[in-house]
Amino acid sequence: DAGVTQSPTHLIKTRGQQVTLRCSPKSGHDTVSWYQQALGQGPQFIFQYYEEEERQRGNFPDRFSGHQFPNYSSELNVNALLLGDSALYLCASSLASGPLAGFTYEQYFGPGTRLTVT
Amino acid sequence: LAKTTQPISMDSYEGQEVNITCSHNNIATNDYITWYQQFPSQGPRFIIQGYKTKVTNEVASLFIPADRKSSTLSLPRVSLSDTAVYYCLVGDGASGGSYIPTFGRGTSLIVHP
Repeated sequence: DAGVTQSPTHLIKTRGQQVTLRCSPKSGHDTVSWYQQALGQGPQFIFQYYEEEERQRGNFPDRFSGHQFPNYSSELNVNALLLGDSALYLCASSLASGPLAGFTYEQYFGPGTRLTVT
Repeated sequence: LAKTTQPISMDSYEGQEVNITCSHNNIATNDYITWYQQFPSQGPRFIIQGYKTKVTNEVASLFIPADRKSSTLSLPRVSLSDTAVYYCLVGDGASGGSYIPTFGRGTSLIVHP
């Protein structure tokens, strides 16, 4: 049973460019969340996709956008890259939860994509 | 916003029990408390999750008092491979049923031989 996979592993981009990161969730999971983790910091929630729609969003600008496909895989797009966007980008998958489920939140994380902006 | 507070770092020795406490004074009624472990250059790994009282699995125990304003992750008989950063995660208590998972700064545990 494959876990969460992400591609590419590493990426180097120039300031102002655009980047697309990809994620395939764990088998059986329908929800994908994206996180940004700067060096020495905890993961920061970017957004979450469920049923091909953005369901929740953290405090990130519109330069960060995403997409979820019918097979539950997801992409994270970042436009107009800044030096400060250099980080480890993590994808996490889970089963849908909500108010009736009590917000259980067991997530399975991928290995991440290391993005360096120069 | 629900904010978590954890010790920045802890040291232990092989074979000892380690207890890491997380404070979350503003935890929402529907929030669960979840702990993750992260090794360098890897994604976090789920350890344990609970709502109240005590939860135990094959790797850890989670103690949650009645007021739920804190929780304690207990790792029995740690080994060198338990050296990692441990995160306490709760929701941010936003209204309208939204849930923004918020990681704390994490606790860096170093296990010595």
